[in-house]
Amino acid sequence: EDKVVQSPLSLVVHEGDTVTLNCSYEVTNFRSLLWYKQEKKAPTFLFMLTSSGIEKKSGRLSSILDKKELFSILNITATQTGDSAVYLCAVGSGNTGKLIFGQGTTLQVKP
Amino acid sequence: GAGVSQSPRYKVAKRGQDVALRCDPISGHVSLFWYQQALGQGPEFLTYFQNEAQLDKSGLPSDRFFAERPEGSVSTLKIQRTQQEDSAVYLCASSFGQTSGGRSGTQYFGPGTRLLVL
Repeated sequence: EDKVVQSPLSLVVHEGDTVTLNCSYEVTNFRSLLWYKQEKKAPTFLFMLTSSGIEKKSGRLSSILDKKELFSILNITATQTGDSAVYLCAVGSGNTGKLIFGQGTTLQVKP
Repeated sequence: GAGVSQSPRYKVAKRGQDVALRCDPISGHVSLFWYQQALGQGPEFLTYFQNEAQLDKSGLPSDRFFAERPEGSVSTLKIQRTQQEDSAVYLCASSFGQTSGGRSGTQYFGPGTRLLVL
């Protein structure tokens, strides 16, 4: 059975800290791995990763994929209170590209 | 519009009622997906459309769930004889391309419809 597992499930840090969120997967017919940020509304797209070892970066956020070990990490440096959200990892699978999501990591950044 | 829109944003239904949830995808997007998100969980796939064709409905939990996209743009998810376990957020997503490989496959989500069945 396809599955995506995220860890930790929740995390509390202070502003300025660096955090690393983990995502491991076992999915047949892997297409891509995506990270989303979800506040109280629509999940917003962060990154799509398809190739191993190539870091994607956007401001203070970065992510990398390891297709041999079947995991990805999302790093956030110099965290701000606005980074507080649920971070979702999803794997695109099969010909339809349906996404298989992990449970999410709830990040709380305290001032 | 600029993004995916969904309506209504909130729906309260009595057990046994039928509900219809609407999704307006980003203009020109070929692929449309429906997901169900229970409280504290990640979204779970329900069904997929490529234009007007429903190519995958393997995630629909029962025959009370029905989705359509008759003209290849707006989609409606209908739930008949709602049950309490149907209470969840229903998310719609669209993508320009037909697969999740490559940038054209990136799925963009709407704000969701929060359904509460009493």
